[in-house]
Amino acid sequence: AQKITQTQPGMFVQEKEAVTLDCTYDTSDPSYGLFWYKQPSSGEMIFLIYQGSYDQQNATEGRYSLNFQKARKSANLVISASQLGDSAMYFCAMREGIGTGRRALTFGSGTRLQVQP
Amino acid sequence: DGGITQSPKYLFRKEGQNVTLSCEQNLNHDAMYWYRQDPGQGLRLIYYSQIVNDFQKGDIAEGYSVSREKKESFPLTVTSAQKNPTAFYLCASSTDRGPGNQPQHFGDGTRLSIL
Repeated sequence: AQKITQTQPGMFVQEKEAVTLDCTYDTSDPSYGLFWYKQPSSGEMIFLIYQGSYDQQNATEGRYSLNFQKARKSANLVISASQLGDSAMYFCAMREGIGTGRRALTFGSGTRLQVQP
Repeated sequence: DGGITQSPKYLFRKEGQNVTLSCEQNLNHDAMYWYRQDPGQGLRLIYYSQIVNDFQKGDIAEGYSVSREKKESFPLTVTSAQKNPTAFYLCASSTDRGPGNQPQHFGDGTRLSIL
């Protein structure tokens, strides 16, 4: 079974509009963390935002926010006021076993976002 | 500036040849990772190391080997046993200290192709 599922291969959004990128996850571990990364066409991976399984509030970082619904096992990324520079691939990733030594991430297949002027 | 340096940016492999991808970090991170990315796909873990002289296989380790003789360096060798090596390879590092929300920092990647 897929641990991280991103069901939207591609998304379009108008400049200045908000967009939600979906991510659902599967784990039986009570302690985990969810990360979102942005990958421009140049290839580097840019960290955007983090949500821990025990965090009481949804994470926010500037124009990025995370709609975390623990019971539904979803961690959707919301980008407000889209900019042309937001056009990129976006990956959701999970780290299980927070508090143990393992820090490797499991990634979803990504969503390609295109912002239109 | 602190960061992760991967080299070369592009690499070509001949049939039956082993090639080594370099990854160096000056972030003083304990943990380092190698991921493979195929076109239009997410990243898959090849190997990771949490401490010098120790490393563990990830989900797709067959046909690859690594070493971790120095904290700063984690080279990846793509052996001739890897029959489909064409992919984008990303190296990452992270600190082992703290509550666990520290992100992995990535290099700019190496694109490997078969000649």
